[in-house]
Amino acid sequence: QSVLTQPPSVSAAPGQKVTIFCSGGSSNIGISSVSWYQQFPGTAPRLLISEDYKRPSGTPDRFSGSKSGTSGTLGITGLQTGDEADYYCAAWDGSLSALVFGGGTKLTVL
Amino acid sequence: QLQLQESGPGLVKPSETLSLTCSVSGGSISDNNWYWGWIRQAPGKGLEWIATIKYTGYTYHYPSLKSRVTISVDTSQNQFSLRLSPVTAADTAVYYCARQASGLGSFLDHWGQGIMVTVSS
Repeated sequence: QSVLTQPPSVSAAPGQKVTIFCSGGSSNIGISSVSWYQQFPGTAPRLLISEDYKRPSGTPDRFSGSKSGTSGTLGITGLQTGDEADYYCAAWDGSLSALVFGGGTKLTVL
Repeated sequence: QLQLQESGPGLVKPSETLSLTCSVSGGSISDNNWYWGWIRQAPGKGLEWIATIKYTGYTYHYPSLKSRVTISVDTSQNQFSLRLSPVTAADTAVYYCARQASGLGSFLDHWGQGIMVTVSS
């Protein structure tokens, strides 16, 4: 059971927009920023979004992040088949003094 | 360009010790702005953060693993290491090392490729 909650899967058609939610609590997202990671099968995760909304170099502006209260959101516009991957959110938990992850969301581009 | 590379045995017997090393190149492990962490992923499962260390030796551990985990740093070799003991089949996973920003804005921005560790007799 992950500390942060994500939907197991989302799907949308190419060119459409999808939103992935990450729900936490007052000890993690409520006080910490959210980061997002993209992982293709058999490869290491890659940082997609840091500190709620910041895009590292290499992250297309089709990807966006936001946070409200104890939830974070990853938005992907102009979906491409190459976006099919697993997406994970993470945040520092002040009570655990640990980085906690969501269970991951599998994105399918139909 | 910063690169991280995990190394260690791919097979460990139950009740024994898993030992992994992460070699850092293209940057200094003594950079005061960063921690250095370990994350694992069991087959078909999600990511699980294990522990992190700063070059000063300051550490954080995931509570449920803390009693079995030792994380250490060797600044002279620009490496950090993970020991997990005793192991069970539930510790079978791909183990990643990564650079970690500290504090409430924490994130993992550079990752190693990962090393598969199987716990089996």
